[in-house]
Amino acid sequence: EVQLLESGGGLVQPGGSLRLSCAASGFTFSSYAMSWVRQAPGKGLEWVSAISGSGDSTSYADSVKGRFTISSDNSKNTVYLQMNSLRAEDTAVYYCAKATEVYSSSPLDHWGQGTLVSVSS
Amino acid sequence: EIVMTQSPATLSVSPGERATLSCRASQSVSSNLAWYQQKPGQAPRLLIYGASTRATGIPARFSGSGSGTEFTLTISSLQSEDFAVYYCQQYNKWHPYTFGQGTKLEIK
Repeated sequence: EVQLLESGGGLVQPGGSLRLSCAASGFTFSSYAMSWVRQAPGKGLEWVSAISGSGDSTSYADSVKGRFTISSDNSKNTVYLQMNSLRAEDTAVYYCAKATEVYSSSPLDHWGQGTLVSVSS
Repeated sequence: EIVMTQSPATLSVSPGERATLSCRASQSVSSNLAWYQQKPGQAPRLLIYGASTRATGIPARFSGSGSGTEFTLTISSLQSEDFAVYYCQQYNKWHPYTFGQGTKLEIK
């Protein structure tokens, strides 16, 4: 059974940093791309970032480019999202999601339950 | 960026009736289109990919159609558990993922 468990969310001040983690199990981690998708309170889904199964290809939404960094550790079956220079508009539930193929141009067939990031002074 | 536009924003349908949700892409995404269902307090769930292929475990009352820029999700006979928010998403190669703004399917 595929399981994705996010952690690392919390309250942070504007300009601060946070690192999210997503521990994966139940599938061959290096064979699938992973994404982070966020959802602001009461709003829709916004894709944030993706990384290929091998970790050699990454992509970012314009809204986070230059501030967020995605990475993965295949030995730990874990994907990370380092978030710097956080803004109030980054407040959201952040979901980790597994793609159906090794590269990110594929649908997201499993999702974690999400971790809440609140950016406020 | 490919913009995805869903309509209507809210759809009121009675249980047992058919629901038809629309999604339009600002440029062709071929068949690289997925539909997700999200219930309050839950993560999204993949329903349809490749515009028309049901994901594992999805009931046959859910069907998808379309290609290029126009797509439709049809729920043939609404059950109580189907009332939720539905999102379309394009995953065309060389373009970042983008989601539609969602259609809320509510009980009439």
